[in-house]
Amino acid sequence: GNSVTQMEGPVTLSEEAFLTINCTYTATGYPSLFWYVQYPGEGLQLLLKATKADDKGSNKGFEATYRKETTSFHLEKGSVQVSDSAVYFCALSDRTGANSKLTFGKGITLSVRP
Amino acid sequence: NAGVTQTPKFRVLKTGQSMTLLCAQDMNHEYMYWYRQDPGMGLRLIHYSVGEGTTAKGEVPDGYNVSRLKKQNFLLGLESAAPSQTSVYFCASSLRGTGAGANVLTFGAGSRLTVL
Repeated sequence: GNSVTQMEGPVTLSEEAFLTINCTYTATGYPSLFWYVQYPGEGLQLLLKATKADDKGSNKGFEATYRKETTSFHLEKGSVQVSDSAVYFCALSDRTGANSKLTFGKGITLSVRP
Repeated sequence: NAGVTQTPKFRVLKTGQSMTLLCAQDMNHEYMYWYRQDPGMGLRLIHYSVGEGTTAKGEVPDGYNVSRLKKQNFLLGLESAAPSQTSVYFCASSLRGTGAGANVLTFGAGSRLTVL
């Protein structure tokens, strides 16, 4: 079955540090890949997505590239801010059926200190 | 522009009690979902619906029932609550399934349920 593996957390960084959050996946076929973010006390919201190999998703200074050869979708940001403190979820959806659903990783908490 | 609204936001139940969580969306989305979020477990799909009058089981359906009598509403019921159902519950909706076309989910703010 499909699965998403995220690096263990939590992660604590100083403001303006470089961020990498690792995500690898197992899936049949060619899934679409997503990063969702959950700010304190809120529901999840889409951060970025990529639908095919070598696609790069980007939003709010975050980027992730769909790497089929390494089955990875690592999230990066060059300079984090305190406002980026949140829980980040990697997810995939397969495209093999009309009723396909999202499979989420366990999430990782990022704390950015001033 | 409310998006996805969940009620109630907080609830405390005793073991064996029943309750219903309500999810309402005003975006005319076809698909709706109920997830639970537990520490170290991420989000797990409980049930989902691909349209009015339809429901289907997700990854962890036991102990829950759902109904989608109207397109805009998706109800999650607990008939006899257990402490293992203490969790944060999220409802989400999408234009269509997250398959081809890669449509995205809009989430509600969550409902925190504690079962004593």
